[in-house]
Amino acid sequence: NAGVTQTPKFRVLKTGQSMTLLCAQDMNHEYMYWYRQDPGMGLRLIHYSVGEGTTAKGEVPDGYNVSRLKKQNFLLGLESAAPSQTSVYFCASSWDSLTGRTDTQYFGPGTRLTVL
Amino acid sequence: AQKITQTQPGMFVQEKEAVTLDCTYDTSDPSYGLFWYKQPSSGEMIFLIYQGSYDQQNATEGRYSLNFQKARKSANLVISASQLGDSAMYFCAMRYRGGTSYGKLTFGQGTILTVHP
Repeated sequence: NAGVTQTPKFRVLKTGQSMTLLCAQDMNHEYMYWYRQDPGMGLRLIHYSVGEGTTAKGEVPDGYNVSRLKKQNFLLGLESAAPSQTSVYFCASSWDSLTGRTDTQYFGPGTRLTVL
Repeated sequence: AQKITQTQPGMFVQEKEAVTLDCTYDTSDPSYGLFWYKQPSSGEMIFLIYQGSYDQQNATEGRYSLNFQKARKSANLVISASQLGDSAMYFCAMRYRGGTSYGKLTFGQGTILTVHP
């Protein structure tokens, strides 16, 4: 049981390049999320998904796209990277029961992205 | 809109002493959950403790306890008997528990805790 995994762990891009970050979870969670973490700030939600085939915008969605073709995978894409997207990206998953303490989000290890 | 405020950018504590990390929140929703996460220098996010807005008792998990004062809208984390391994960034987070929240979290800016030997 690996929990939530992210690939790659590190990446350096040039401005204008594209890339895809992969998040995978083996906990059969319905909900998945992508956050970014910038220095001096907490995590901010980029996009999220409430199930296979669904996606929705979070707090800071501009410049990113996502896809959830399989329940266990959530992809984050940058079509044309900008220096402002230099950040640490976290994926998380959860199952919202609304009934107890089973709605904790479990986080992946993060991807450190630098855009030059 | 929900908002989480952590007013302590950095805190220092002596090993084996207790420390309180402050967190205040703002929401008009009656049903919500409050979380604390630890982020060590290695970068991963580690879940520590959870408190539901309707929970009658303050949450405890080992050396961690959450001092929940609903009227004051505060959810302070208390770490007892601090250890060197407790040195990390600590984040307070909140989620609305309504039907359309889908578990989304709102995070505070974090507090860096340094434990001195």
